[in-house]
Amino acid sequence: IAGITQAPTSQILAAGRRMTLRCTQDMRHNAMYWYRQDLGLGLRLIHYSNTAGTTGKGEVPDGYSVSRANTDDFPLTLASAVPSQTSVYFCASSDSGWNHTGELFFGEGSRLTVL
Amino acid sequence: GQNIDQPTEMTATEGAIVQINCTYQTSGFNGLFWYQQHAGEAPTFLSYNVLDGLEEKGRFSSFLSRSKGYSYLLLKELQMKDSASYLCAVMDSNYQLIWGAGTKLIIKP
Repeated sequence: IAGITQAPTSQILAAGRRMTLRCTQDMRHNAMYWYRQDLGLGLRLIHYSNTAGTTGKGEVPDGYSVSRANTDDFPLTLASAVPSQTSVYFCASSDSGWNHTGELFFGEGSRLTVL
Repeated sequence: GQNIDQPTEMTATEGAIVQINCTYQTSGFNGLFWYQQHAGEAPTFLSYNVLDGLEEKGRFSSFLSRSKGYSYLLLKELQMKDSASYLCAVMDSNYQLIWGAGTKLIIKP
């Protein structure tokens, strides 16, 4: 089934630990995004990538890094997790670039708890 | 600053009609999106408006007035499965998506 796969679906980790959230899409979309969703707030963009080999910072990039080695994969890394990074993380993709409108396809989310 | 406002929560009755409003103040405008998100699940696309007027898609319709910075999502013949959060998002002049906090819709029998 075509779509976006995120892993893990849920994780608890200690503050200071390094964590990578994985995201893979099989729709050959150029653009990919990482959002975090917190109660009472709208989705906030962490990082994005318009195409393989390029990445950009979103609204809340501090403490996070991404890479886009190929079209399908867009991992998000927390170098040293802090409790404020407790959130639900959604990976998304679209078949349009950053400067075009387009429907976003979301993964099922990764619930991260930092203690 | 940029801002999207929508009600936090609404309640409606099965079979009825409900209108969820969204007002926005953004730096430019390149379209407005509505997404549906069931609890614990990912958001899914419902509609996109870039010109003024009403877009109808089955039981769901979305309206846009760019001059008023206003949109609404209209849900007809409500079903229990429509219980979800509805997210309004606006694409600004930099093609950045600005998201509202979402409206939680509760459907009662």
